[in-house]
Amino acid sequence: DAKTTQPTSMDCAEGRAANLPCNHSTISGNEYVYWYRQIHSQGPQYIIHGLKNNETNEMASLIITEDRKSSTLILPHATLRDTAVYYCIAPSNAGGTSYGKLTFGQGTILTVHP
Amino acid sequence: NAGVMQNPRHLVRRRGQEARLRCSPMKGHSHVYWYRQLPEEGLKFMVYLQKENIIDESGMPKERFSAEFPKEGPSILRIQQVVRGDSAAYFCASSLRTGAETQYFGPGTRLLVL
Repeated sequence: DAKTTQPTSMDCAEGRAANLPCNHSTISGNEYVYWYRQIHSQGPQYIIHGLKNNETNEMASLIITEDRKSSTLILPHATLRDTAVYYCIAPSNAGGTSYGKLTFGQGTILTVHP
Repeated sequence: NAGVMQNPRHLVRRRGQEARLRCSPMKGHSHVYWYRQLPEEGLKFMVYLQKENIIDESGMPKERFSAEFPKEGPSILRIQQVVRGDSAAYFCASSLRTGAETQYFGPGTRLLVL
């Protein structure tokens, strides 16, 4: 897997946009960027993924830089329930070696304040 | 549309006993992944199974741990002769496609070894 680097923690005010950065400077051309989150004591939850283009779904937006060395997950209107650990993952799939093995780092602890 | 189901949600065992953790994937998913989260640590991949086949068990401890996903019924993670260090949250995930990184997680089983 490409190594990813995320800030240890971030704060956000309720109702504001939360912008979570991730560096993945060693990512290769065919490796996607995935975002998951884990709310306390729950199982991880898939959020979004992308390769080159920006992506948006009902949960979040993913902005990937043109050189693909970094990306930002955007929660447009954060709520208290978005408080969680957010994981940025770039699984290696060259030659099919990933086989779905997700490698979770330490992630970013996002705390949304009232 | 039921999500991934795991049972039991909590399991208490004494040292030396056996623990059996069950996972029913999402409807239509035939790929199952098991992850372990030790206290205050990140999620670690253990094993990836398809129906009746183990695809990747590179994260499984060499002894006492085994996993299966029979043709009928749930996937089972079995831990023999449990020790205190096995106390952790065990999460199961499933996917629609082979070796997919878009995985849907269950609520986990919390194993406590006394």
